[in-house]
Amino acid sequence: DQQVKQNSPSLSVQEGRISILNCDYTNSMFDYFLWYKKYPAEGPTFLISISSIKDKNEDGRFTVFLNKSAKHLSLHIVPSQPGDSAVYFCAASEMGGYGQNFVFGPGTRLSVLP
Amino acid sequence: EAGVTQFPSHSVIEKGQTVTLRCDPISGHDNLYWYRRVMGKEIKFLLHFVKESKQDESGMPNNRFLAERTGGTYSTLKVQPAELEDSGVYFCASSLPGQGSEKLFFGSGTQLSVL
Repeated sequence: DQQVKQNSPSLSVQEGRISILNCDYTNSMFDYFLWYKKYPAEGPTFLISISSIKDKNEDGRFTVFLNKSAKHLSLHIVPSQPGDSAVYFCAASEMGGYGQNFVFGPGTRLSVLP
Repeated sequence: EAGVTQFPSHSVIEKGQTVTLRCDPISGHDNLYWYRRVMGKEIKFLLHFVKESKQDESGMPNNRFLAERTGGTYSTLKVQPAELEDSGVYFCASSLPGQGSEKLFFGSGTQLSVL
């Protein structure tokens, strides 16, 4: 049973608009959440993270929101750019974000249209 | 500085054959991880080395998979004999001691196809 779910396999957004990628989790012990971005033929790269003691973390055009009661997090990209087109993985950890404890979602493919 | 390197980038083998994947981590990275993504699904943890020692191999699917990291530098992941369900992308990642998620660097993966 998947502990981290990304129910939208794909998303298309017009350049300049907001992209919102969603992620739901089932394990209430998760205390650290991350988003990774993956381009074709490349490995995932870290994008942004959030600890469970926060409900928002912002880094430039990227903001992650965490709703612990709903076990839901989202990644907002504003404004979206064609270079943001990639697969985005949500990941969660029980022990503060160390590699061996990550549980990844299946990914959402974002296409930003010029 | 070179990133995490994986070889080969693609491998196509027949069921029952043996395949060995190689990962060269970033120099000085004691932590080395193997992950697998099967059929476009989630990326799953396989195992974690600290230098040459296996710290956690709880994600290894079965005893057909053998990972080694002799000398604490590069690592190999051998699948013997390969089965159809082993097809997927195998990622390696590395990090410095004590580093968290922001400092986890992934290789570009090996696409394994078992026919």
